Amino acid sequence: SQTIHQWPATLVQPVGSPLSLECTVEGTSNPNLYWYRQAAGRGLQLLFYSVGIGQISSEVPQNLSASRPQDRQFILSSKKLLLSDSGFYLCAWSDRLWGVNQPQHFGDGTRLSIL
Amino acid sequence: EDQVTQSPEALRLQEGESSSLNCSYTVSGLRGLFWYRQDPGKGPEFLFTLYSAGEEKEKERLKATLTKKESFLHITAPKPEDSATYLCAVQEWDNAGNMLTFGGGTRLMVKP
Repeated sequence: SQTIHQWPATLVQPVGSPLSLECTVEGTSNPNLYWYRQAAGRGLQLLFYSVGIGQISSEVPQNLSASRPQDRQFILSSKKLLLSDSGFYLCAWSDRLWGVNQPQHFGDGTRLSIL
Repeated sequence: EDQVTQSPEALRLQEGESSSLNCSYTVSGLRGLFWYRQDPGKGPEFLFTLYSAGEEKEKERLKATLTKKESFLHITAPKPEDSATYLCAVQEWDNAGNMLTFGGGTRLMVKP
């Protein structure tokens, strides 16, 4: 069966520091991968998605970036964190089957607090 | 632009008191509507996919229905363990990345 791992679960960082969050998927190949941010009590905002290695699409302009160095690895980064980057970051995957409705499956997220 | 609105934002029920959550959507061509359950501090857990108006899906005390403009998640005789935030999301055609647009969620609290 497929599993998705995100780490760390919780992170406290000072303003201006760099960021690297990692997500890996097991038990599937060629998945679509996604990064979301969820503000407290709010819905999910799509940040980036990827349909293949090295292919990244950005949905929201910001000081964050994403990379996909391997088929099942997705990384969210920042060179300098802002206070507004605080939030709950979720990684998700879906099967890449054209013409078939595929749900996304989520990891357990990283709670990021910027001080 | 796709829009998804969920109501109410929060719902308090007594155990056994049935109710419905609403998800209204605006999308140019609906490919699928998805319901998720999210527990505090966790990622959303997939519940259902609905494809076309008139379709219904059931899982334990939950039943999801779909019309051309909205979806309902009916909760029959809820238990305290059904307390969670319920999210709906839509996926439109011509969407190569299987991307979803999420609503803001309904926070359900079931009191014993």
